[in-house]
Amino acid sequence: EDKVVQSPLSLVVHEGDTVTLNCSYEVTNFRSLLWYKQEKKAPTFLFMLTSSGIEKKSGRLSSILDKKELFSILNITATQTGDSAVYLCAVGMNYGGATNKLIFGTGTLLAVQP
Amino acid sequence: GAGVSQTPSNKVTEKGKYVELRCDPISGHTALYWYRQSLGQGPEFLIYFQGTGAADDSGLPNDRFFAVRPEGSVSTLKIQRTERGDSAVYLCASSRSGRGDTQYFGPGTRLTVL
Repeated sequence: EDKVVQSPLSLVVHEGDTVTLNCSYEVTNFRSLLWYKQEKKAPTFLFMLTSSGIEKKSGRLSSILDKKELFSILNITATQTGDSAVYLCAVGMNYGGATNKLIFGTGTLLAVQP
Repeated sequence: GAGVSQTPSNKVTEKGKYVELRCDPISGHTALYWYRQSLGQGPEFLIYFQGTGAADDSGLPNDRFFAVRPEGSVSTLKIQRTERGDSAVYLCASSRSGRGDTQYFGPGTRLTVL
């Protein structure tokens, strides 16, 4: 059965801290791994990763994929209260266009305290 | 449009009633997806449209759930004989082509079945 596991389930930090969120997966026909930030209802796209070892970076956020060990990490440096959200990891499947569904983990709830 | 929109934002209904949830994808996106998110969980795939046709409906939980996209743009998710267990946030996403490209989510419809 395809699955995506995120850890920790929740995390409380103080402003300025650096956090690392983890995502491991066991899926058939892996195509890509995506990170989303969910503050209220709409997940907002952060990164899509398809190749191992290539870091993607956007401001204070960065992410990397290891396709050999089947995991990804999302790093947030110098955290701010506005980073408080649920961070979702999802894996896209590759069935030659027959489907494009994402398999999501349960998310990591990050709370950044002032 | 600028992003994916969904209506209504909230829907409260009684057990046994019929509901329709609407999704307007990003203009020009041929692929459209429906997901369901229960409290404390990640989104769970329901159905994927490529144009007007349902390319993958393997996530629909039973035959009370049905979705259409008659003109290849707007989609409607229809739930018959609603049950309390159907209460969740229903998220819609769209992507440019459906060939593994990024899915952009709408704000969702929170369905509450009393």
